[in-house]
Formats: sequence, C-alpha cells, structure tokens
Amino acid sequence: NAGVTQTPKFQVLKTGQSMTLQCAQDMNHNSMYWYRQDPGMGLRLIYYSASEGTTDKGEVPNGYNVSRLNKREFSLRLESAAPSQTSVYFCASSESSRSSNQPQHFGDGTRLSIL
Amino acid sequence: GDSVTQMEGPVTLSEEAFLTINCTYTATGYPSLFWYVQYPGEGLQLLLKATKADDKGSNKGFEATYRKETTSFHLEKGSVQVSDSAVYFCALRDWDGLTFGKGTHLIIQP
Repeated sequence: NAGVTQTPKFQVLKTGQSMTLQCAQDMNHNSMYWYRQDPGMGLRLIYYSASEGTTDKGEVPNGYNVSRLNKREFSLRLESAAPSQTSVYFCASSESSRSSNQPQHFGDGTRLSIL
Repeated sequence: GDSVTQMEGPVTLSEEAFLTINCTYTATGYPSLFWYVQYPGEGLQLLLKATKADDKGSNKGFEATYRKETTSFHLEKGSVQVSDSAVYFCALRDWDGLTFGKGTHLIIQP
C-alpha cells in the first residue's frame, strides 16, 4: 500500500527559483494537507483542501500556493523561493476534515533547501 | 487559538525503563487527541488516539488517557526498547487540521 506519496524527496533551490512539490494519495481520502516542519517548531499547517475543488489557508500560508488537481493529488508551489522556506514539507490526507476524530496519514516528506 | 505543549527533550532513558512524555492542550470545544511518532528520515505515523474524555488510546505497549479535567494526554510505556528511539508528537484535531506540539526526542540506550 503506497498511502501518501511525495516527490521529490530532496531538492536544493537558489533564492528566487520556483518549484512545485507533488503529493498523491491512493486511499480515496477527501481531505489533504500541507505542513512544514522546522527544528523546535513542530509541524505547522500551510494549506489544506477539505474536498476536491476547495483550498484554504492554514497557519503559515505566505509565500505558497496550492492546487487540488483532483481527488488524489494536491500540489504545493513556491513561486519565488526564499531561504526562510528551507524546511521539511509533509503532505497528509484524511477521510474527512469535518470529522475531527479521523487521523491523518503522512507522506515521507520533501527536504527542501534554499540557498 | 488551539495549542499543544509537550515536554521538550531530548529525553534519554535506559532500556526497560518506564516512560512518560507529558502533553497538555488548550482548545475550544472537545478536540480529538493524537500521538504521532517520527523515526529518523521518515514521515509521521499515527501511534494512538482518543476521541473523548476518559478514552484510553493504546498501541505497541504505549498508552495515553484523555483527561479533560487536566487538559492532558500524557504518553506512557512500561518498558521501553532501543527501537522506541524517535521523536514523539502530541497533537489535537480541529476542523482545519492538526495542531502539533513541538515534539519530544526520545533516546533509549542499551
């Protein structure tokens, strides 16, 4: 079972470059999420998509855009990368965002460095 | 807003020791509570969950009880193993997504 798949696993960018992080889930989940993980900060929600066709800002959306391409795929785009966006990015999915007892399933992460 | 506070590590224990990782939360309403574990180089995996007051979540020898009166969800294990070395995250679930604590790095020495 693949679960949540993220690509790429590692990436190095120069300041000002753009990039799209890809995420796909094969569990037929309705809701998908993007988090960033920074040392001493835990994980913080960037954007989420409660269902296909909808997206909403999370705690730290500035500098990012997202696209819910279809039910399976949710991409995160950095239009003009900045060193402050160096982080590990995690995609997650859950059956529904409307039921708070549903756990989220996480991908293995994308380690992104901005020089 | 919602928040989760957990003890910061690293926490270093000897194999077979008793483990407690404290977690307290602040939230409006009655959130579901989770513990996730992250092994080196991997994503987060759900360890256990509890959805209402006095519920006990358990998995792989770990336990945590949802205490509404103390707004706590402490993680415990009676006898830890070297393979339990990882980072543990306490989290609560609201409508938008998960709110995480900062994580506790657990190191188990043989």
